[in-house]
Amino acid sequence: AQSVTQPDIHITVSEGASLELRCNYSYGATPYLFWYVQSPGQGLQLLLKYFSGDTLVQGIKGFEAEFKRSQSSFNLRKPSVHWSDAAEYFCAVGAPGNTGKLIFGQGTTLQVKP
Amino acid sequence: DAGVTQSPTHLIKTRGQQVTLRCSPKSGHDTVSWYQQALGQGPQFIFQYYEEEERQRGNFPDRFSGHQFPNYSSELNVNALLLGDSALYLCASSLEVAGEYQETQYFGPGTRLLVL
Repeated sequence: AQSVTQPDIHITVSEGASLELRCNYSYGATPYLFWYVQSPGQGLQLLLKYFSGDTLVQGIKGFEAEFKRSQSSFNLRKPSVHWSDAAEYFCAVGAPGNTGKLIFGQGTTLQVKP
Repeated sequence: DAGVTQSPTHLIKTRGQQVTLRCSPKSGHDTVSWYQQALGQGPQFIFQYYEEEERQRGNFPDRFSGHQFPNYSSELNVNALLLGDSALYLCASSLEVAGEYQETQYFGPGTRLLVL
């Protein structure tokens, strides 16, 4: 069955520290991969996406993610976290060429300590 | 360039009632998908509309139905509401390219439905 696992439900980091959010997926082939962020009471904002090509993708707000086929992972990273990064982060997968039906992970809540 | 808009922002209903939620896609987009996000969970796909027809459907009962209008806007209808239908309902839009594939989805702010 297709699924997305975000192993860390809650992560707390200090402002200025580096961040890595984990995402593992189970899919029949290499899917399209996405990271979305959701601030309290808000909808989802796309941070970055991977369709094909270079496995290290750059996104908005200084985020990047690396696709590792051998590990079925698509981890999100940021070198220096800002207080405004506190939010819920969702990893999602979609069928290549058919991203209308996304499968989301449960999400990781990021708390930033001053 | 207007993004995806949804109305209303909040809604309170009682069990057994019916509700209609509305979505206007991002300018230039022709495909609309609906998701249900329960508290503390990731969004779950309900269905997708393209060319005014339901094209894909997730694991949701027939109480959940939808419609897409010629201007690509969409409605989500839920009949016989249950307490468990309380959630944030998200609409997402995308562009079907050459009738073959879709690019990235963009999400609206959602409608928060509370069923009492």
